[in-house]
Amino acid sequence: QKEVEQNSGPLSVPEGAIASLNCTYSDRGSQSFFWYRQYSGKSPELIMFIYSNGDKEDGRFTAQLNKASQYVSLLIRDSQPSDSATYLCAVRFYNQGGKLIFGQGTELSVKP
Amino acid sequence: ETGVTQSPTHLIKTRGQQVTLRCSSQSGHNTVSWYQQALGQGPQFIFQYYREEENGRGNFPPRFSGLQFPNYSSELNVNALELDDSALYLCASSLYRNDNEKLFFGSGTQLSVL
Repeated sequence: QKEVEQNSGPLSVPEGAIASLNCTYSDRGSQSFFWYRQYSGKSPELIMFIYSNGDKEDGRFTAQLNKASQYVSLLIRDSQPSDSATYLCAVRFYNQGGKLIFGQGTELSVKP
Repeated sequence: ETGVTQSPTHLIKTRGQQVTLRCSSQSGHNTVSWYQQALGQGPQFIFQYYREEENGRGNFPPRFSGLQFPNYSSELNVNALELDDSALYLCASSLYRNDNEKLFFGSGTQLSVL
């Protein structure tokens, strides 16, 4: 079992809809959780981070964390074509310093 | 912009050659991490340097090595290049070596091995 798993997609949603991206992880000793957006040919860009159970909102983005279920998700409200990208989930485990474990990414396509 | 710069942006090498990739950290950051991202995959942790010493290593062979300099800039060296080394190499710097530290990536170096 991979340490961090995501559906590779592609996930296709119409413009204005809510996109829901999911991520599961294998280690209950996980410390912090990150969502990165990566456009084709570009480097990953940090868009959200969450450390505690519950929801965290930032503009159109909401990160949700459930440590008991080892599950983290990203919701994108009012999806725009410019949101079309690959979304990477990353997890840092306790005492791992700067090491992030990434999922393989979910490709999101927002159709006008 | 993250303040992390990498050079070169693109590089073409042949199998068996050696390559050096460079990273300039964000001002004041004392920790740098290197990642390899193959096409269609998430980034894979190569190693991290903290105050000029290797501080953690992923599942990469010894032909992947690095350096961090007193000004906290960094190099990734890869010897005896293999075709599978073709990937995007990412550098990320951070201020503290702690579990909640966020990582911001440079623009990456795209390495092609022919």
